[in-house]
Amino acid sequence: DAGITQSPRHKVTETGTPVTLRCHQTENHRYMYWYRQDPGHGLRLIHYSYGVKDTDKGEVSDGYSVSRSKTEDFLLTLESATSSQTSVYFCAISGRGQYTGELFFGEGSRLTVL
Amino acid sequence: TQLLEQSPQFLSIQEGENLTVYCNSSSVFSSLQWYRQEPGEGPVLLVTVVTGGEVKKLKRLTFQFGDARKDSSLHITAAQPGDTGLYLCAVRRPTSGTYKYIFGTGTRLKVLA
Repeated sequence: DAGITQSPRHKVTETGTPVTLRCHQTENHRYMYWYRQDPGHGLRLIHYSYGVKDTDKGEVSDGYSVSRSKTEDFLLTLESATSSQTSVYFCAISGRGQYTGELFFGEGSRLTVL
Repeated sequence: TQLLEQSPQFLSIQEGENLTVYCNSSSVFSSLQWYRQEPGEGPVLLVTVVTGGEVKKLKRLTFQFGDARKDSSLHITAAQPGDTGLYLCAVRRPTSGTYKYIFGTGTRLKVLA
């Protein structure tokens, strides 16, 4: 199993509060991704990183920011949480070698914004 | 607009039945992946198809990549309760520095014993 841990696994917060989700990997992979999963939408890409301090936006980046100061950590921040950001968030890292391009996922972080 | 449309969205069948789920797009891709996700877990890669018309088999699962590389199908023979889960197709799109992985809308399968 790929060494990916997400924290917290569950969080309930109120509208307008800041929230940070952490993704930690022990695989030393360069590429990391944050997705959100909602019924009927599959997985949607929020932000991704292709190296330390190198990040870019995905399909649904509004209201989210990310940071990557170390290879092993990729943080997702909701500056002011809204109810529409209630979702399950998944972190992923790319597989070994660009040929297979496999994504390995964490177990998810369930966020509820009241 | 979703790049990848999957059908059906939901499927509930009896153990032993066969089924096919589809992943369609109007775009051409160099490769396509299928993932399965079980409740409370992240998706896990099942297969990657890279050649138009390619067929890959994984035990009772058969994956096909369309000749034009715009669509794919997953066929399960004699479904079992252990096949229950969310099936997602995905494609890689090159972007600055890496690839973006875009996922389909998903097919949620329930196999009843």
